[in-house]
Amino acid sequence: GAGVSQSPSNKVTEKGKDVELRCDPISGHTALYWYRQRLGQGLEFLIYFQGNSAPDKSGLPSDRFSAERTGESVSTLTIQRTQQEDSAVYLCASSLRLTEAFFGQGTRLTVV
Amino acid sequence: ILNVEQSPQSLHVQEGDSTNFTCSFPSSNFYALHWYRWETAKSPEALFVMTLNGDEKKKGRISATLNTKEGYSYLYIKGSQPEDSATYLCAISNFGNEKLTFGTGTRLTIIP
Repeated sequence: GAGVSQSPSNKVTEKGKDVELRCDPISGHTALYWYRQRLGQGLEFLIYFQGNSAPDKSGLPSDRFSAERTGESVSTLTIQRTQQEDSAVYLCASSLRLTEAFFGQGTRLTVV
Repeated sequence: ILNVEQSPQSLHVQEGDSTNFTCSFPSSNFYALHWYRWETAKSPEALFVMTLNGDEKKKGRISATLNTKEGYSYLYIKGSQPEDSATYLCAISNFGNEKLTFGTGTRLTIIP
């Protein structure tokens, strides 16, 4: 597709379950970001992939969070043993190196 | 950790008035500054990317300036319209820390 695609758009899960969020970046974009926005908060950086370099995981809030990216394509963000404080909109963005980022529509995660 | 500060945090402006707000950042190793507009229920969209000291960019009624020596950028909106209501985010990237680091945004509300 022409833009960044995220799935699912909405996810409701029970506390303690694992969830997997998917991001399809724009073809050819070497950089991929995951951010989240909790209610009433700003954009919170989670993880950054750039080409074949080691990802910058400095924003992951706990070891329950992990992300993978296959080459310069799809990325998945996995949250294990979800907690209510994980409820947020999870945004993925991609870019060419050092250029503007294009955001997906986000996945709204609700942990009940 | 890069500290990107935006002020004010929120702003109410009468329709037709002009306004501006600020993004401050560390000037060392600066590479680029981005401005994004984030409307409610949508994803952030890039407005400008600026790299050079003294850069000025304009898109319709919105313009931005950049001072890399003192580490700040201004975003100006002339003749505010209701559709300008959004959160305006700035982000920077540095040599040696290429990922985009976002500020917490300025939430702008235009009063009809």
